[in-house]
Amino acid sequence: AQTVTQSQPEMSVQEAETVTLSCTYDTSESDYYLFWYKQPPSRQMILVIRQEAYKQQNATENRFSVNFQKAAKSFSLKISDSQLGDAAMYFCAYRNYGGSQGNLIFGKGTKLSVKP
Amino acid sequence: GAVVSQHPSRVICKSGTSVKIECRSLDFQATTMFWYRQFPKQSLMLMATSNEGSKATYEQGVEKDKFLINHASLTLSTLTVTSAHPEDSSFYICSARATPQGKGPQHFGDGTRLSIL
Repeated sequence: AQTVTQSQPEMSVQEAETVTLSCTYDTSESDYYLFWYKQPPSRQMILVIRQEAYKQQNATENRFSVNFQKAAKSFSLKISDSQLGDAAMYFCAYRNYGGSQGNLIFGKGTKLSVKP
Repeated sequence: GAVVSQHPSRVICKSGTSVKIECRSLDFQATTMFWYRQFPKQSLMLMATSNEGSKATYEQGVEKDKFLINHASLTLSTLTVTSAHPEDSSFYICSARATPQGKGPQHFGDGTRLSIL
């Protein structure tokens, strides 16, 4: 079974600075997706960024980028120029590629605080 | 982008009441819908996966008779918490996917906060 591990329960960053959130996973599959979701106090799940395992290039979305190390099964999220609105719970998630189900498997989350 | 509407957003009711939560895909047909449960300060735990027109697949430890799931159409799935008790109080989130083969993105509803008195 696949697992996702986020080893940082809480992180803090100064506004405008850069922070990296860690995520490791375990799978025997070669094709899969990885995601970072943001959950603000409103509890809505917001997709931040996604990565297909077959792509070597790291995904980037504006201030958000990932460092995907397939061999190490590591998928960290870097937030540059942190903003107060970035404060939230961040969940790393895994999903198998293809198949009839393909549900998301979430890590336990990292609570990010942004200091003004 | 794709929108998933979840209703109601908040429910407070007495112990023993049955509560129905609706999850609708507003601008796409959802072949698969997922129901998650989230306890305070914890991650999302998958409860069940429902495919339109077939029985839901429940995760280990989730009571089928307690959490009834109906995916009667391609745009609607419902979760009914039967005879709810205080321990059922939680945040429930649905998500929907358009493509049947697991390759499409999942779109989340805004969640339902259920409080059983």
